[in-house]
Amino acid sequence: DTEVTQTPKHLVMGMTNKKSLKCEQHMGHRAMYWYKQKAKKPPELMFVYSYEKLSINESVPSRFSPECPNSSLLNLHLHALQPEDSALYLCASSQDPRESPQYFGPGTRLTVL
Amino acid sequence: AQSVTQPDIHITVSEGASLELRCNYSYGATPYLFWYVQSPGQGLQLLLKYFSGDTLVQGIKGFEAEFKRSQSSFNLRKPSVHWSDAAEYFCAVGAREGYNKLIFGAGTRLAVHP
Repeated sequence: DTEVTQTPKHLVMGMTNKKSLKCEQHMGHRAMYWYKQKAKKPPELMFVYSYEKLSINESVPSRFSPECPNSSLLNLHLHALQPEDSALYLCASSQDPRESPQYFGPGTRLTVL
Repeated sequence: AQSVTQPDIHITVSEGASLELRCNYSYGATPYLFWYVQSPGQGLQLLLKYFSGDTLVQGIKGFEAEFKRSQSSFNLRKPSVHWSDAAEYFCAVGAREGYNKLIFGAGTRLAVHP
C-alpha cells in the first residue's frame, strides 16, 4: 500500500462551521505534512509532523488546528475560516522527516462561503 | 534564501516530440532537487529527485533530469511525449539541513497536441 488517502474529496463550509480534514497513510512513514494550494499556484507548506509531534508551523492562523492522533493519521481541524481559505489542501508523507514528502494525497477541495 | 524559478509558465508540444522543462534554483550549497507532476484536480506525484552522485537522474514515466551545478539548473526531459503527460510540473528545492521544507517553483503547465 503506497498511497496517502484524504477525506473528504470536497468540502463546502460556512464561516461559522467547524469541520475536519482527514489524512491516512499505512506505509510506516514517520513524517506527515499539510500543504495548501491555491488555484494556479504551487503548494505552500503549512505544518510538519515528525514522529507524531508538530515540528514545523509555517505561521498558520490559529483557525487551522492540526492533530496527529497516531503515526498513520493526520487531521486538520477547521474553525471560523474565511473565504480566502478556499483552496486545495494536500496531505503528504515521507519515511524520514529529513526527506522530501514523497507521497501526496489527492487533496481536499475546500470552499468557504 | 532558497528560491526556484521555472521560466516557462506554459509549454505546448506535439505528441511524440521531445520535451525539456527548465528549472533554475538559488541556494548557497548543493540542495536536494525534485520534480513533481500534478494532473488536474489531483495531488502531486514525485517524478524524480537528486540528492548526490550521478548528475543525470532517471525517474518514472520515462522522465530524466540533469543537475548542472555551474548553471544552477535541474531541467526535466523526456524524449517522446505522450498525450497523458499533459499536466502541471513543479520543480522544488529542499534544504540539506534540518527538516525538508520544500520550496516549489511556480510550475509549468504542459499541453500536448495530438
